[in-house]
Amino acid sequence: DTAVSQTPKYLVTQMGNDKSIKCEQNLGHDTMYWYKQDSKKFLKIMFSYNNKELIINETVPNRFSPKSPDKAHLNLHINSLELGDSAVYFCASSRNRGDEKLFFGSGTQLSVL
Amino acid sequence: AQSVTQPDIHITVSEGASLELRCNYSYGATPYLFWYVQSPGQGLQLLLKYFSGDTLVQGIKGFEAEFKRSQSSFNLRKPSVHWSDAAEYFCAVGARTGNQFYFGTGTSLTVIP
Repeated sequence: DTAVSQTPKYLVTQMGNDKSIKCEQNLGHDTMYWYKQDSKKFLKIMFSYNNKELIINETVPNRFSPKSPDKAHLNLHINSLELGDSAVYFCASSRNRGDEKLFFGSGTQLSVL
Repeated sequence: AQSVTQPDIHITVSEGASLELRCNYSYGATPYLFWYVQSPGQGLQLLLKYFSGDTLVQGIKGFEAEFKRSQSSFNLRKPSVHWSDAAEYFCAVGARTGNQFYFGTGTSLTVIP
């Protein structure tokens, strides 16, 4: 069973569209994250939720809106997609906000045309 | 400001040869240091971590890393590389709490027969 699963694996869309990426973890973890990995492989945190509560919100355009319906899910909705949003988005989880061990999903490759 | 530098973008080694991947960090507090590995199409997997104590830490898959405070470095080593070690390696620094992790830009490892 996949510990952290995100869908879709690939997403190709046109500029201006709205899209969502879903993430689920079955590890019973309290804390979940979204990271963005750009074309230069640089991995940067975007958001972190702990028990459905937002605890980290880095400098990210407000077109990006995370939603956590429960602690096992952290979805990422992106409005008005731009070319620069093309990247691989990784979801991750950790046991709690003090636990340094992150479990990553396999990534969603987003291509904006 | 917190940052992680991996000066080698790409390294090629022969199978059986030794390996050292460099990592330098800048962090305002006591650093907690990590190495992650990313195989093609996969998420990141934690190789090892350093919090305190013995500055030479052992990880999975035969990897080790040495923390040198005077040099602000946390280099990853392996005595004998296997073809399956070909992957992208990321160094990260962060606080034990607060879920803030800063990743380097990664070093891509190619292993030749």
